[in-house]
Amino acid sequence: SQTIHQWPATLVQPVGSPLSLECTVEGTSNPNLYWYRQAAGRGLQLLFYSVGIGQISSEVPQNLSASRPQDRQFILSSKKLLLSDSGFYLCAWSVGGRSNQPQHFGDGTRLSIL
Amino acid sequence: AQKITQTQPGMFVQEKEAVTLDCTYDTSDPSYGLFWYKQPSSGEMIFLIYQGSYDQQNATEGRYSLNFQKARKSANLVISASQLGDSAMYFCAMREGMTGGFKTIFGAGTRLFVKA
Repeated sequence: SQTIHQWPATLVQPVGSPLSLECTVEGTSNPNLYWYRQAAGRGLQLLFYSVGIGQISSEVPQNLSASRPQDRQFILSSKKLLLSDSGFYLCAWSVGGRSNQPQHFGDGTRLSIL
Repeated sequence: AQKITQTQPGMFVQEKEAVTLDCTYDTSDPSYGLFWYKQPSSGEMIFLIYQGSYDQQNATEGRYSLNFQKARKSANLVISASQLGDSAMYFCAMREGMTGGFKTIFGAGTRLFVKA
């Protein structure tokens, strides 16, 4: 069966520090991968999505970036965090090439910027 | 551009009654999919139900059904026989299949409160 791992679960970082959140998927090949951010009590904002290795689509101009160095690995990064980067970050995957398949989400990372 | 709208920030329903959560969408792609997810206070995202743009019948999954009105571009979630455990945030999402590159966007969500 397929599983998705996202870490860390919580993270407290100072303003201006770098960030690296990692997400890996097991049990499937060539998945679509997604990064979302959710402010407290709000909806999910799509940040990045990827349909293949090295293929990244950015939805929101900001100081975040994403990379997909391997088929089932998706990394969210920042060189310098801002206070506004605080939030709940969710990684998700869906079956590649199939638009009718739901997304499966990781447990999320709660990021607090001090 | 894609757009998903959920106009009900919060809804109350009596236990054992049915409730409808509204969702409207906007897309120019003839091929798309609509999804509903539940997010309890724990934060996990739980997939509930899917409706494809070419599906002739409304989707149903247990106590969940989707009232799909394509001409009105609405995809409302109906929960029958509400239970206390249904209290959560509910999100509508859309994915464009042909031109969207599997991009999936979410609405702002509706918080459902089930009263005993």
